Amino acid sequence: EAQVTQNPRYLITVTGKKLTVTCSQNMNHEYMSWYRQDPGLGLRQIYYSMNVEVTDKGDVPEGYKVSRKEKRNFPLILESPSPNQTSLYFCASSLTPMNTEAFFGQGTRLTVV
Amino acid sequence: AQTVTQSQPEMSVQEAETVTLSCTYDTSESDYYLFWYKQPPSRQMILVIRQEAYKQQNATENRFSVNFQKAAKSFSLKISDSQLGDAAMYFCAYRSTRRGGYQKVTFGTGTKLQVIP
Repeated sequence: EAQVTQNPRYLITVTGKKLTVTCSQNMNHEYMSWYRQDPGLGLRQIYYSMNVEVTDKGDVPEGYKVSRKEKRNFPLILESPSPNQTSLYFCASSLTPMNTEAFFGQGTRLTVV
Repeated sequence: AQTVTQSQPEMSVQEAETVTLSCTYDTSESDYYLFWYKQPPSRQMILVIRQEAYKQQNATENRFSVNFQKAAKSFSLKISDSQLGDAAMYFCAYRSTRRGGYQKVTFGTGTKLQVIP
C-alpha cells in the first residue's frame, strides 16, 4: 500500500530536549515536505526537499532542521524545542516537484511543556 | 507572494442539501494549480479535487465540483447531496508551476463544515 508514515503520532516533551519526528514514504517520490498546522493559520510549510541531499527552507523554518540522506526518509529535527512549537505536524510527498498529487502522513501531535 | 483566503471559518449544511465553500487567492502567475483538501477528525489530509489554471472547464469529482473564476481569482467548492461523512475541515491550496525550482504550496486557513442529519 502506497503511504507516508510518520512517527510518533503523539509526543509530549519538555523544553530543550532534542527530538526527531520520522517520515518515510514507499512510493519512490522525489519531493517531500514538512508542514505545521495551527488553529486559524492553516498549514504552513517548514522545509522541503526536492531530492536526496537537496533541502531548503519553507515559510517557517526557525527552530527546525531536516535531512534527506535517503530518498524515502525525511526526518524533522527539533534541536531545542520550545512551547511555541506545540503543533500538529504533517509530512507530505509527491512524485516530482511538478506533480500535483501530494500524499500526506497521518500527522504528529507535538506538545512542548 | 501568493495568498489564499477562506473567509468562512465555519459552515453548516443539512444532509442531502448542497453547500458551497469559498476560496479566493492572489497571485501574479498565469499558470498554477488549485486544490481542495479534506481533513476529517482522523486528521488525515485527503485530496478532494484539483484544477489546472490553464483549463477553463471546471473540475468535477462525483458530488464535488468547483467554480473556477480565473479573472476573479476565485475557486469555490460545491458539495452536492451532502453526507454525514463530508463533515470535516476543508482547505483550499495553491501551487505554483514554476519549472526547475521550488513548487511552493500555500494553504488557506480552512473552513469547518458541519453536516446536520
